[in-house]
This record gives sequence, C-alpha cells and structure tokens, in this order.
Amino acid sequence: GDSVTQMEGPVTLSEEACLTINCTYTATGYPSLFWYVQYPGEGLQLLLKATKADDKGSNKGFEATYRKETTSFHLEKGSVQVSDSAVYFCALMGGANQFYFGTGTSLTVIP
Amino acid sequence: NAGVMQNPRHLVRRRGQEARLRCSPMKGHSHVYWYRQLPEEGLKFMVYLQKENIIDESGMPKERFSAEFPKEGPSILRIQQVVRGDSAAYFCASSPRDRGHGYTFGSGTRLTVV
Repeated sequence: GDSVTQMEGPVTLSEEACLTINCTYTATGYPSLFWYVQYPGEGLQLLLKATKADDKGSNKGFEATYRKETTSFHLEKGSVQVSDSAVYFCALMGGANQFYFGTGTSLTVIP
Repeated sequence: NAGVMQNPRHLVRRRGQEARLRCSPMKGHSHVYWYRQLPEEGLKFMVYLQKENIIDESGMPKERFSAEFPKEGPSILRIQQVVRGDSAAYFCASSPRDRGHGYTFGSGTRLTVV
C-alpha cells in the first residue's frame, strides 16, 4: 500500500546552516506529494507541494523536488532561522485521495 | 476568518469513560476529516464526513469509535470506554470540496487516558 518514510529526528542546527530532511515514498500510480509544518501549539500548515514528477515546490525558502526515479521528495533550505523550529511532515495523496503521512521530523534551530 | 477549531486542546479521561472531541470546520468548508497520531507514528486517516454523511470510515477502529457531522454544529469524534491505547493526538481537517482540495488542519486534541 501507499506509505511515506521520512528521516527521523530530532534535528538540531545552528542558525544559517543548511537543512535537508529526507522523504521517500511508496505508491501505486502517481501521487501528489506534500510537506506540512507544525509550529509549537498550532495545527499542521501546508508548506509546499508538488503534483507530478520533476515539479519543484517552494515556499518560505524551502524547496522540494518530486523525483520519480528515486521516489523521493526531500525538503531543503539553504539557511535556516530560529523561526523555522517546528515539526515537519512529509505526506502523499494517493489514488484514493487519502493522505498518508510520515512520522514527522522535529527541527530545532539554535542562535 | 477563523481556521479549523478543535476543542478541547487537552482531554484527560479515566479508563472506561467516554471521550468527545469536537471540530468546527473553516467557514465555507463542508468536508471534515479526522486523523490520529499515536506516539512515535505519523498521522493516520480515520474518517471522512460531509454534513450528515459518512463518506469513508475505512480508518476507524471497528468498535468504540464513532463520528458524526450534523447539519448544525461541529463534527464530533466519540470514543466510548476509552483504553490507554487510545491516548494520542487527534487532528481534524476541513476542505471546501472533496479531499485533495485545500485541506486545513486544526491544532489537535491531545487525549490522555489514565
């Protein structure tokens, strides 16, 4: 069945460091891929998405490219800020239009 | 324009009691989804509802769990005779049309069964 595997955390980085959170997926067909972010005490917010192979989603300096050949959708940011501290969830929407989420990766950015 | 409102934020229940979780969708959204996040796991789909209809309950446990979305008022996720394994964060999301379009999540209800 459809599933998402993402890098386990927690991840701790210094401000301005580079971030990569790995995400790979298993799906039948051609899913849409998403990254959601959850800031402390808040709900999940859509960070970016990609709906087909080779699409690049981007928002707030974060990017992720839909790689069909490696079934991956890694999240990257060139220079993280303290305000990026949150939990990041990779997700896919499969053929039944149902979301499948990864376990989440906690990011802490220290000044 | 309030987002998806869930209450309570935290709920503590003793084993055997009932838990009722509420979700008010965003204004203009008529589709509601419930997800559960067990410790150390990702969010898992439970149920998808429209007003007065359950569209997909394939993720709901077969016993003790039920959900409704009445014509008036919030969607309710009800867990009867709670057990320790029900302790989790329960998230609600809403969308204006069928799933895949503009999901917005609430902040979740954290249920602790003691």
